Amino acid sequence: DQQVKQNSPSLSVQEGRISILNCDYTNSMFDYFLWYKKYPAEGPTFLISISSIKDKNEDGRFTVFLNKSAKHLSLHIVPSQPGDSAVYFCAASDPNAGNNRKLIWGLGTSLAVNP
Amino acid sequence: EPEVTQTPSHQVTQMGQEVILRCVPISNHLYFYWYRQILGQKVEFLVSFYNNEISEKSEIFDDQFSVERPDGSNFTLKIRSTKLEDSAMYFCASRTQGALAKNIQYFGAGTRLSVL
Repeated sequence: DQQVKQNSPSLSVQEGRISILNCDYTNSMFDYFLWYKKYPAEGPTFLISISSIKDKNEDGRFTVFLNKSAKHLSLHIVPSQPGDSAVYFCAASDPNAGNNRKLIWGLGTSLAVNP
Repeated sequence: EPEVTQTPSHQVTQMGQEVILRCVPISNHLYFYWYRQILGQKVEFLVSFYNNEISEKSEIFDDQFSVERPDGSNFTLKIRSTKLEDSAMYFCASRTQGALAKNIQYFGAGTRLSVL
C-alpha cells in the first residue's frame, strides 16, 4: 500500500545547482504534506510543509510545490550546499486519522551534493 | 531548542525477551507517536497517544506492544516478547495541539533495536 511514493532513491547534484526531489501520492484526501530531512544516526528533522489549499510554500532556499490535479509535489533546494546531503522524506498527513494525524511516509530520496 | 530524546540509542536483545524503549517528548506537546523503520523500508506508523490513551494503532501494533506515559514526562514503548522481525529503528515523535492543521511532528534520534 504505497500511498506516498518517492520514485527516485537517490539524486546527485553539484554544489550551487538546484536539487529537485519529487513525491507522488494516491490519496486525494491528504490535506497536508511535509518534507523531512534525515542525517545518518539522527531522527527525521522537519524541513518545510504545505497545505493542500496552496500550491507553493517557500522558506529560504527551500520551496515546495504542490500540483493537486497530478497528486504530485516537489521540493526545490536552491542553491544546493554540501550540508544538504541527507535523505529526504515526503510525508502526508492523514485527515482520516482524526486529531491524531499520523504521517504516511515515502521511502525517501538520498541527496548527495558534490562540492 | 526543545527536542525529543530517546534512550537507549541502541538496544540488543535476545528473541523472546522484553524491551522497553524510552522517550521524553517536548514538554508542552500533547500528541505522542511511535514509528519504526526496518532497514531499507519506509517509516511505518505504530501508534498514537493522546490524553493518556491510545488514539490509533496500526496492524503492526499487536498484543505484544504497549505504550505508557507513566509520569507525565516519559513515553515508553514496550515489546513483551521480541521477534527477529522487530529489529528496526524506532522513532518517537511529539506534536503540540496548536500545530493541528500543520501536523508538524518532532522526532527523536531513534533507538536501534537488534533482536538476535
